[in-house]
Amino acid sequence: AQSVTQLDSQVPVFEEAPVELRCNYSSSVSVYLFWYVQYPNQGLQLLLKYLSGSTLVKSINGFEAEFNKSQTSFHLRKPSVHISDTAEYFCAVNGNTGFQKLVFGTGTRLLVSP
Amino acid sequence: NAGVTQTPKFQVLKTGQSMTLQCAQDMNHNSMYWYRQDPGMGLRLIYYSASEGTTDKGEVPNGYNVSRLNKREFSLRLESAAPSQTSVYFCASSFERGADGYTFGSGTRLTVV
Repeated sequence: AQSVTQLDSQVPVFEEAPVELRCNYSSSVSVYLFWYVQYPNQGLQLLLKYLSGSTLVKSINGFEAEFNKSQTSFHLRKPSVHISDTAEYFCAVNGNTGFQKLVFGTGTRLLVSP
Repeated sequence: NAGVTQTPKFQVLKTGQSMTLQCAQDMNHNSMYWYRQDPGMGLRLIYYSASEGTTDKGEVPNGYNVSRLNKREFSLRLESAAPSQTSVYFCASSFERGADGYTFGSGTRLTVV
């Protein structure tokens, strides 16, 4: 079984500042890792994912996440945030063999202010 | 647009009433899921269907039932609604291996009074 920990429930940041949202996971098998974003009153949208290969993965809107196997982490970063990045971000993990259910963290609310 | 469609978007029920939340996907996904989202608790899995013809309990199944009607449709039923079931409900779907992640519907906001 897998589990995900997002220690920060809320991260306030000023516009154009860098941000890091932390995600740690535990698993006894190799994993796929995901970040989802939820804008107010909407469903979850896939932001980026790590399946294998390069440990640094990037989204089309400037976010990136790095898979660190030794630290069992998959932190999400953006060098310069915009007001429009205000949303809740969920880290998720599942095993990479057979049928596996996605396990979500409790989410981190990113609040970007001018 | 391709994706996951949930109905209704909003619903208010009285305690003890029943209702069914509908979910349909048009991406030829094998697996479907029902989650509830509550403040500070993230998403909790209620029931899932790994493939057509199968259903299994998730983390919080009590008070709910599901039906996988066909490959496209997966419904969630509340037989006797309770205030503790006030929540936002999300349906999702995926291929079995899960490498593409899940596709989520836009949610149903349910209030039980």
